[in-house]
Amino acid sequence: DTEVTQTPKHLVMGMTNKKSLKCEQHMGHRAMYWYKQKAKKPPELMFVYSYEKLSINESVPSRFSPECPNSSLLNLHLHALQPEDSALYLCASSQGSTGGHGNTIYFGEGSWLTVV
Amino acid sequence: GQQLNQSPQSMFIQEGEDVSMNCTSSSIFNTWLWYKQEPGEGPVLLIALYKAGELTSNGRLTAQFGITRKDSFLNISASIPSDVGIYFCAGHWIQGAQKLVFGQGTRLTINP
Repeated sequence: DTEVTQTPKHLVMGMTNKKSLKCEQHMGHRAMYWYKQKAKKPPELMFVYSYEKLSINESVPSRFSPECPNSSLLNLHLHALQPEDSALYLCASSQGSTGGHGNTIYFGEGSWLTVV
Repeated sequence: GQQLNQSPQSMFIQEGEDVSMNCTSSSIFNTWLWYKQEPGEGPVLLIALYKAGELTSNGRLTAQFGITRKDSFLNISASIPSDVGIYFCAGHWIQGAQKLVFGQGTRLTINP
């Protein structure tokens, strides 16, 4: 069962709001990811957590703040976003071991974010 | 950075036809993954390929990891309306890398 659960499914927020996106997986995976996807484009990597430590930050603006409370949970805290940040935000996970099956990535259904 | 060239960008076919799409790169890749994404949903993993020359099927879908490790194809046989969506190829070009490189996607439309 490859299931990554994201909440909320839809979020509308003002530019001064603070909100969070949440992600959960119970596959025992040790790597978790945040991706951003704009319409008709492939997903773009934002952050990677490996064994609960931030291992990759793709030069993401500080108004996006990731958090990994434990190996099953991943949050993305949002503050002072801009309308151009409106997109589908995808959480994903992988086993976390090197090579082959270990870094095969499974995506959640996404959270649609609209910044007004 | 590494790039994947995915083609075609879009396909308009009749129900029942076979479909073929491919991805190429100038660099060697260590894994090839094929995803399908439907509107409003996240990408769903269809097939994962881990060895050069590997040919894997998943129902009506067949994908191959090119022998040069620089390409992969996905075939869909006897297409049905629920095959509609965007298909992405993706891969890891460094062994153990966490960053996945994506193709630009192939949008499949099926006329019933």
